[in-house]
Amino acid sequence: GQQVMQIPQYQHVQEGEDFTTYCNSSTTLSNIQWYKQRPGGHPVFLIQLVKSGEVKKQKRLTFQFGEAKKNSSLHITATQTTDVGTYFCAAGKSTFGDGTTLTVKP
Amino acid sequence: DAGITQSPRYKITETGRQVTLMCHQTWSHSYMFWYRQDLGHGLRLIYYSAAADITDKGEVPDGYVVSRSKTENFPLTLESATRSQTSVYFCASSLQGLADQYGEQFFGPGTRLTVL
Repeated sequence: GQQVMQIPQYQHVQEGEDFTTYCNSSTTLSNIQWYKQRPGGHPVFLIQLVKSGEVKKQKRLTFQFGEAKKNSSLHITATQTTDVGTYFCAAGKSTFGDGTTLTVKP
Repeated sequence: DAGITQSPRYKITETGRQVTLMCHQTWSHSYMFWYRQDLGHGLRLIYYSAAADITDKGEVPDGYVVSRSKTENFPLTLESATRSQTSVYFCASSLQGLADQYGEQFFGPGTRLTVL
């Protein structure tokens, strides 16, 4: 079945540094969603991307969908301690990546 | 303003016992989902439902049973619990489901299940 691979698995940054997580698929995706899960919490929807080459921004977060619709990225500018958590991409029939866990050192 | 709730939040059971995890949503969303999340991994879909009385298997359905007699409820039953079913279980709901474009999923708080 469809699989999405996320890299890196873990990312440790100093507060104020940027962070990027990538989601890759071997097949063309109709859409992709991003979720954030705080430690001990449940996944919370961030955004959905549908169009080839689409770029969406939410404050310090920038989401991109590749031109071939096979990859996506989430970039956080100037991380803050509130950004801590695991970021998941999801595609197709509710296929979730394994997530990228972000820790931020104050 | 309950949204989506799950019960119990924590459960410890023994191998071979039957366990039912409850999920209730107040939004009248058509679609509901059950996932399991194992340490260090993403979410794997167990079962989903497009409407009352319509359910279908996800990626890892073996050992689980679901029902959906009412739109708002989607219980998940482990017929004979095994240690490998120790996990965190999340229920979710959505206005749209598993089509080419589907809406955001709203997740419940999760049930942490331990099978001894």
